[in-house]
Amino acid sequence: DAGVIQSPRHEVTEMGQEVTLRCKPISGHDYLFWYRQTMMRGLELLIYFNNNVPIDDSGMPEDRFSAKMPNASFSTLKIQPSEPRDSAVYFCASRSVGGYTFGSGTRLTVV
Amino acid sequence: GENVEQHPSTLSVQEGDSAVIKCTYSDSASNYFPWYKQELGKGPQLIIDIRSNVGEKKDQRIAVTLNKTAKHFSLHITETQPEDSAVYFCAAPQGGSQGNLIFGKGTKLSVKP
Repeated sequence: DAGVIQSPRHEVTEMGQEVTLRCKPISGHDYLFWYRQTMMRGLELLIYFNNNVPIDDSGMPEDRFSAKMPNASFSTLKIQPSEPRDSAVYFCASRSVGGYTFGSGTRLTVV
Repeated sequence: GENVEQHPSTLSVQEGDSAVIKCTYSDSASNYFPWYKQELGKGPQLIIDIRSNVGEKKDQRIAVTLNKTAKHFSLHITETQPEDSAVYFCAAPQGGSQGNLIFGKGTKLSVKP
């Protein structure tokens, strides 16, 4: 199993641009989570899905953030427009009864 | 909702010594407590977990203890090695074992050779 796959690994973009982060969960995992990690705030849950349905998006900071899961093997997190304070590492994780598996993350830098 | 506090934020030990990281949680309904290790440039990886029907679990040099009455759990690493250097996170579920995980702020462990 290749694990949870995220792309891109690094993204540098200018303020105001749209950013799309991608995640492929482990096959058979029915939960998918998006987390943001910063030095100041640690690991923050943004949104999670169960069987492709968004369950809790209360962690999404603003309307500029949106997430979709069109099928069991793919999810996206979009930021439009991006701002410098969005700079962070974004992790996707999927879950089975065995616990969470995290991807390697996308390091986003907004300049 | 669940609140997880983790201490210390940084910990430095000599190779071969033991390291202990402690966490407290607020939701008495929580019954699953995992620990994750995050190495530089990687995502957190599950290293050990414990469910509330046991008080201690061991896996080679690492162990986790749970005190449900006091609502705290700890990670113990014995005979530390330089490769144990990483950031460690505790977590507890929001809304019981099926809830999403709330993470502590992390402990940066440095093991000096």
